[in-house]
Amino acid sequence: GAGVSQTPSNKVTEKGKYVELRCDPISGHTALYWYRQSLGQGPEFLIYFQGTGAADDSGLPNDRFFAVRPEGSVSTLKIQRTERGDSAVYLCASSPDSQTGELFFGEGSRLTVL
Amino acid sequence: AQSVTQPDIHITVSEGASLELRCNYSYGATPYLFWYVQSPGQGLQLLLKYFSGDTLVQGIKGFEAEFKRSQSSFNLRKPSVHWSDAAEYFCAVGPPWGKLQFGAGTQVVVTP
Repeated sequence: GAGVSQTPSNKVTEKGKYVELRCDPISGHTALYWYRQSLGQGPEFLIYFQGTGAADDSGLPNDRFFAVRPEGSVSTLKIQRTERGDSAVYLCASSPDSQTGELFFGEGSRLTVL
Repeated sequence: AQSVTQPDIHITVSEGASLELRCNYSYGATPYLFWYVQSPGQGLQLLLKYFSGDTLVQGIKGFEAEFKRSQSSFNLRKPSVHWSDAAEYFCAVGPPWGKLQFGAGTQVVVTP
């Protein structure tokens, strides 16, 4: 498709388990972002990639969260030892470059930790 | 520290009536301001942005916003709403490279 694709759309897991969320950005977009949206809140920044490298990971809440983008396209957000507080919708966005300010968002991956 | 306040959690408006959504921000440098809309089953979509220049900016779907530096505000307006405008609207501030601070959002309900 032409838009940002995120999989899975829904993930239910148990506390303590490991989770991976995938983001496939719009082809040719060099910048990629992860945000987290909790119920009733606006999106909260997690990490931003320019190409393969993480340009800013200051929003990752702790070392249980990690993200990669090894080939400068698809990105994976990895959460270790999940906690109930990690339940949220994880949003991925991409941008053709880092200066336009326009982010193209996917529909998100809803994570529920039981 | 940067922050965004959207004072109205929920707004109900009649179809054809005008709409104004409020946004106040705090930002340490020249603000880059955005309005995004989130419709059910769809990703966030950019309505408009302000970087510099004319303080009244036009966006998609007939929306406009006015930047008022003295009031630290960036309010969104539409002269006549359509039922399809029912959605959640988010104001955001940040640099153009995308580390945005979003407000908590305003849910807009459109009645016949």
